Amino acid sequence: RKEVEQDPGPFNVPEGATVAFNCTYSNSASQSFFWYRQDCRKEPKLLMSVYSSGNEDGRFTAQLNRASQYISLLIRDSKLSDSATYLCVVKSPGGYQKVTFGTGTKLQVIP
Amino acid sequence: DAGITQSPRHKVTETGTPVTLRCHQTENHRYMYWYRQDPGHGLRLIHYSYGVKDTDKGEVSDGYSVSRSKTEDFLLTLESATSSQTSVYFCAIGTSGGPFTSTDTQYFGPGTRLTVL
Repeated sequence: RKEVEQDPGPFNVPEGATVAFNCTYSNSASQSFFWYRQDCRKEPKLLMSVYSSGNEDGRFTAQLNRASQYISLLIRDSKLSDSATYLCVVKSPGGYQKVTFGTGTKLQVIP
Repeated sequence: DAGITQSPRHKVTETGTPVTLRCHQTENHRYMYWYRQDPGHGLRLIHYSYGVKDTDKGEVSDGYSVSRSKTEDFLLTLESATSSQTSVYFCAIGTSGGPFTSTDTQYFGPGTRLTVL
């Protein structure tokens, strides 16, 4: 099993739709979690950290489910500008060996 | 904007030649990282730095070396480039807490697209 797994997609959704992605992780000792957004041929940009209690930033909601070992990202009222690849990052104890980037989920918002 | 620039942004080189990529930051961050990104792989760490002249290997360090003689510059060198090193290279800075701690948040430069023929 991969340490961090994401559905590569693409998720094709109409404007205004709600879409959710999950990212599963294998190490139960994982400590911190992030979502990054990466536009085509650009650098990853931090979207949000994921807190145990869940957190929201405008149309974006991130949640952590420790029991089932996954994090989720919910995007409401999708915009064309949300089209991108969403990367999850999982950190576990153990230095650099335990920082794992997912391969990303591609989202395409359609007019 | 974390004030990170990378140069060159694009480079095509031939197998066996040395290549140096530069990462420059303007905000005096202590921690810096070099990653490569390839299709089907998440970002993978090549080398990282705790500070001036203080560096360590990452997951995929074979064939790469780094140097950090000033806080603001972190150089990545491919001693003798191979086709397997064709990739997109990202530099990143870490904002707090030390490398890979739970509080360390990384911000990335714009990337260098390297092709080794």
